[in-house]
Amino acid sequence: KQEVTQIPAALSVPEGENLVLNCSFTDSAIYNLQWFRQDPGKGLTSLLLIQSSQREQTSGRLNASLDKSSGRSTLYIAASQPGDSATYLCAVSRRAGGTSYGKLTFGQGTILTVHP
Amino acid sequence: NAGVTQTPKFQVLKTGQSMTLQCAQDMNHEYMSWYRQDPGMGLRLIHYSVGAGITDQGEVPNGYNVSRSTTEDFPLRLLSAAPSQTSVYFCASHARGDGSQPQHFGDGTRLSIL
Repeated sequence: KQEVTQIPAALSVPEGENLVLNCSFTDSAIYNLQWFRQDPGKGLTSLLLIQSSQREQTSGRLNASLDKSSGRSTLYIAASQPGDSATYLCAVSRRAGGTSYGKLTFGQGTILTVHP
Repeated sequence: NAGVTQTPKFQVLKTGQSMTLQCAQDMNHEYMSWYRQDPGMGLRLIHYSVGAGITDQGEVPNGYNVSRSTTEDFPLRLLSAAPSQTSVYFCASHARGDGSQPQHFGDGTRLSIL
């Protein structure tokens, strides 16, 4: 069974800092790994998707890396802003044959607070 | 383009009642899913569909039914509500079955079972 762990559970930083969120998974047979953002009372917004054949993806101030062999991913946020405050979730799509592409297993998230 | 729309946003039920959570997407996505989110448990997959007429179970399917008669709609039915089904329910969709496309989520339905 795939298990996904995110560290730290919560993080509080001053504005402007660069920060790293960590995600680990137990089964390296995956189709992809996705990072999502969730604001309070809202749904999930996809930030970055890394396919199993890729090593990293970048979008603006965000950079996500994937090391499938070690079962790890990191989300790097540069020059953090108060608007980045949210819960960040990591999810993997396990390669289990057939129709498993979109069956995601989620970590429990990192709650990020960026202080002005 | 509305994306994924879930209704209702909030609902309170009594134990034993039945109801249907609605989910619709206007992106012509073949793949749709239902997740529940609980404190300390994260998001867990309930049911999954790869197209009209095709559904599959996820991690926590007991107590829930689904059917997929159209590409756009994927309703989730609670047959006899139990307090353990108090949760936030999210519907999601994605376009391609090769792992290359991100999932799009609705804003959720917050369900309380008394």
